[in-house]
Amino acid sequence: EVQLVESGGGLVQPGGSLRLSCAASEFTFSSYWMTWVRQAPGKGLEWVASIKQDGSEKYYVDSVKGRFTISRDDAKNSLFLQMNSLRAEDTAVYYCARLRWAAAARNYFDYWGQGTLVTVSS
Amino acid sequence: DIQMTQSPSSLSASVGDRVTITCRASQSISTYLNWYQQKPGKAPKLLIYAASSLQSGVPSTFSGSGSGTDFTLTISSLQPEDFATYYCQQSYNTPWTFGQGTKVEIK
Repeated sequence: EVQLVESGGGLVQPGGSLRLSCAASEFTFSSYWMTWVRQAPGKGLEWVASIKQDGSEKYYVDSVKGRFTISRDDAKNSLFLQMNSLRAEDTAVYYCARLRWAAAARNYFDYWGQGTLVTVSS
Repeated sequence: DIQMTQSPSSLSASVGDRVTITCRASQSISTYLNWYQQKPGKAPKLLIYAASSLQSGVPSTFSGSGSGTDFTLTISSLQPEDFATYYCQQSYNTPWTFGQGTKVEIK
């Protein structure tokens, strides 16, 4: 069974930095796009960033561009999210998800981790 | 950005009821539409992709339909384990966006 396990969340002050990790297992990590999705407390889901298999393409939601960087280490089956210049509005549970491409370029998030909570507060 | 609007925001239903949730996109997205289920404190779970394709392992009581701007998630006979929040999501272009969610509660 596909497993995704996030870590690295915690309490950080506004303006601070945090690096999230996602350890993947039970599938060929290097063959898949990967994604971060977040959910603020009591709110809905927001796509944050995605990265292609070889890291050659990366996409971000506008609100994190220039502050967050998605990366991956296929040798270690790991996905990362470097978060800098954190703001109170970045407070959320951050989920790692596998992005699957189907016919005619349809895509979807087929497996999700359990999430890691990031709290930005002084 | 493509805005996704779900209705209703919440509903109350009984076990065995037929439930329909609607999702509307702010522009045509063909069938680039997915549905997820989320239970409290848990990660979302994929139910339907490409508007009407049932994800492996998901009960056949779930179905999806629609194309263009209007989509529907139907639960043909609500089961106790189906009480949750449901989200639609467009995969037509980035930023990939979700609806605000529909909470299905026990009547």
